[in-house]
This record gives sequence, structure tokens and C-alpha cells, in this order.
Amino acid sequence: NAGVTQTPKFQVLKTGQSMTLQCAQDMNHNSMYWYRQDPGMGLRLIYYSASEGTTDKGEVPNGYNVSRLNKREFSLRLESAAPSQTSVYFCASSEPGQGAGELFFGEGSRLTVL
Amino acid sequence: DAKTTQPPSMDCAEGRAANLPCNHSTISGNEYVYWYRQIHSQGPQYIIHGLKNNETNEMASLIITEDRKSSTLILPHATLRDTAVYYCIVRGDSNYQLIWGAGTKLIIKP
Repeated sequence: NAGVTQTPKFQVLKTGQSMTLQCAQDMNHNSMYWYRQDPGMGLRLIYYSASEGTTDKGEVPNGYNVSRLNKREFSLRLESAAPSQTSVYFCASSEPGQGAGELFFGEGSRLTVL
Repeated sequence: DAKTTQPPSMDCAEGRAANLPCNHSTISGNEYVYWYRQIHSQGPQYIIHGLKNNETNEMASLIITEDRKSSTLILPHATLRDTAVYYCIVRGDSNYQLIWGAGTKLIIKP
């Protein structure tokens, strides 16, 4: 099984451009997440989807939108990219269980905004 | 969510046990302690979790104090491939907004 797959792995944008990060999981998990990680720091939650059809803001949602397309897919959109959004983005999924379940992460999408 | 406190860095000799401490003094009764690690800039990898009792799996052991205010992750025979940043997180049921600190950077030395 592939687990959690993110595309693209690398992207360079100019300020003001838009793009969508795609995430898909094949573990039939109900919950999915988007995190960002800046150098030397821990992960910060952007948005999450507890179950299909629901999305909620995390710690740092400004400048982002999400879509839970179906149970497998959860996309993250930057409508007008800014240099402050240069970061590594991780998608994760989990199945609620003991303490909301173990998180499974993708390999990350490295975004640079010039 | 309860917050956690971890030392920023630790060294350990290859072949020795690596003991990584974590303080979570404000943990509540229904919150689990989870450990993850992140190698280079890869996605974090789940290691182990526990509620009250000590836990062991093929990767590590987790020792939780009786008052649950702290825990220790033990890698019994550290190898160079265990060099990573280790994160300790507490998490309750239906709680999706985790707080990830900076973790402990563990360096295994030959």
C-alpha cells in the first residue's frame, strides 16, 4: 500500500500565484490533516477534516483553503501565494481510536514562494 | 491539549540505550502520550503510544510515570539510523489539534 501520497513534491511559485496541493490516502481513514513545517520548528496544523464532508480550521489557516473531495482525498489551496508561505507541507491521515489515533504522514511537499 | 517539554538535543553512543524524556504535567486522564520521530525532512513516523501502562513494541519502549506527568521513550540498542528529531505529544479522543513542539534532536554517535 502507498499510504499517504502527496503531489507535487516540489513547487516554486511567484508571489500572487495560486496552486493546489493534492493528498490521497488508501487506508480508508476517516480523518485527514494538512500541516506546515518551517525550518527548525515543529508541525503546525493548517486545516483538518475529521470525517468526509467536514473541515475545520487549525492553528494557522489564514491564506489557505481546503477541500475534502471524498474519503480518500484532501486538497490544500493557496489562492494568492506569499513568501511567508514558503514551507514544507505535510498531509496526514488517521482513524479515530485511542486518543484520536495514530497519524500517518506523507513525504511532504516543499513549496518556495519568490 | 496538554503541552509537553522535551530537551532540545541529546547524544547517545551507538549500541547503547537512548532514553528520551518528556514532561507533560498538565495531562488529563483521557489523554494518551504519543511519540513520533522525523528523519531528515521526511514525514514524521509513529513510534509508540500509551495511556497509563508501560508499552513495548518492535521499535521502542514507553515508560509512563505513575502520576502520568512524565514519560521516557527508550530505544534499547540505538543505531546510526535512529538519528532523528523525536516528538512527544499528548492527545485525547476526538482531539485533532495537536501541539507539536520542537522535539528532541537525537544524535547517535559511532
